[in-house]
Amino acid sequence: GEDVEQSLFLSVREGDSSVINCTYTDSSSTYLYWYKQEPGAGLQLLTYIFSNMDMKQDQRLTVLLNKKDKHLSLRIADTQTGDSAIYFCAENSGSSNTGKLIFGQGTTLQVKP
Amino acid sequence: DAGITQSPRHKVTETGTPVTLRCHQTENHRYMYWYRQDPGHGLRLIHYSYGVKDTDKGEVSDGYSVSRSKTEDFLLTLESATSSQTSVYFCAISDTRYEQYFGPGTRLTVT
Repeated sequence: GEDVEQSLFLSVREGDSSVINCTYTDSSSTYLYWYKQEPGAGLQLLTYIFSNMDMKQDQRLTVLLNKKDKHLSLRIADTQTGDSAIYFCAENSGSSNTGKLIFGQGTTLQVKP
Repeated sequence: DAGITQSPRHKVTETGTPVTLRCHQTENHRYMYWYRQDPGHGLRLIHYSYGVKDTDKGEVSDGYSVSRSKTEDFLLTLESATSSQTSVYFCAISDTRYEQYFGPGTRLTVT
């Protein structure tokens, strides 16, 4: 079935780049997403990429998609302490037309000053 | 939070009691979703709605029912709460099916 996997934890120093990785199994997914969750809050849509794209850049965020390997990454340039949060990768369930999302377990990003 | 509110924000209830969580949106979006978030599982879809009175099951629907009698409201009911339903519940809305926006969540504890 559909599955999304992420590493659970990443620690970086303020000012460094962060790279959060994700693998997925559903090759029919049309969109892949990155969400951010701060403590006690809901999920904030950061960015998403259409499956026929390789890369998408949005200010400090760069998303890379390798469809052959079913690998998605989120790069945060010049990471700040305010970027500390849990980051979720998600794919839309390509087998349905209802926008159902399949989420990874989330990667906790810790940014040290 | 894109015009989405959830109520209550926190609830403690006893095993066996019925519980209803409410999601309210002011965006007039067609699609609405209920997810639960548990450690180690990310978010999992419980039920979703693609219009008034049109709902369907997600991957973890057992023990839950939903209703949508108005575009703006999507209710999630636990008919007889169990401890395994202790979780954080998130509602999401979408206009296009491709961008989902999440509410602030409801933390439910079943004792």
